[in-house]
Amino acid sequence: DAKTTQPNSMESNEEEPVHLPCNHSTISGTDYIHWYRQLPSQGPEYVIHGLTSNVNNRMASLAIAEDRKSSTLILHRATLRDAAVYYCILKSTSGSRLTFGEGTQLTVNP
Amino acid sequence: DTEVTQTPKHLVMGMTNKKSLKCEQHMGHRAMYWYKQKAKKPPELMFVYSYEKLSINESVPSRFSPECPNSSLLNLHLHALQPEDSALYLCASSQVDLVNYNEQFFGPGTRLTVL
Repeated sequence: DAKTTQPNSMESNEEEPVHLPCNHSTISGTDYIHWYRQLPSQGPEYVIHGLTSNVNNRMASLAIAEDRKSSTLILHRATLRDAAVYYCILKSTSGSRLTFGEGTQLTVNP
Repeated sequence: DTEVTQTPKHLVMGMTNKKSLKCEQHMGHRAMYWYKQKAKKPPELMFVYSYEKLSINESVPSRFSPECPNSSLLNLHLHALQPEDSALYLCASSQVDLVNYNEQFFGPGTRLTVL
């Protein structure tokens, strides 16, 4: 599986936007970029995914670089509830396997 | 119902015990997964069932035995575990569309302690 690189930790203030980066320089043409997050004492939760174009949903936006070697998860207004570990994962189109990296621990300050 | 339920929430067992973890979903998903998560580490895939058949076993020791009795239920049978098997065991499910596996829905996990 192609590997992703994320910062170990990031901090944000409540109600400010947060940009979580992810590098995936060895991404292949059939890899989707998935983001999951894991709140304390809970199982991971799907956030968003994309292939080439930027994507928006009710939780977040995903900005994908033109060469697809990096992406950024954008939380438009962070809340205390967004404090979690955020995982950027490359997933093959037809594969079932999710391979989690170390993720980014996001701290949101009141 | 968009929930994956897991029982029990916590389990303490000795190394000679036999116990089972249970996972249930009623979303009509035909793929189900077991993950293991050690403290402060990311989840690691153990098993994948697709249409009630085991499709992936990530070289998991035989003291872990999965079972998928029907499309809604997934069990993990535990026997002769070691203290290093203490971890959070997560179950997940997803839709399967031919060969495409969609987003995974995770349960809250079973916290297992092996004494």
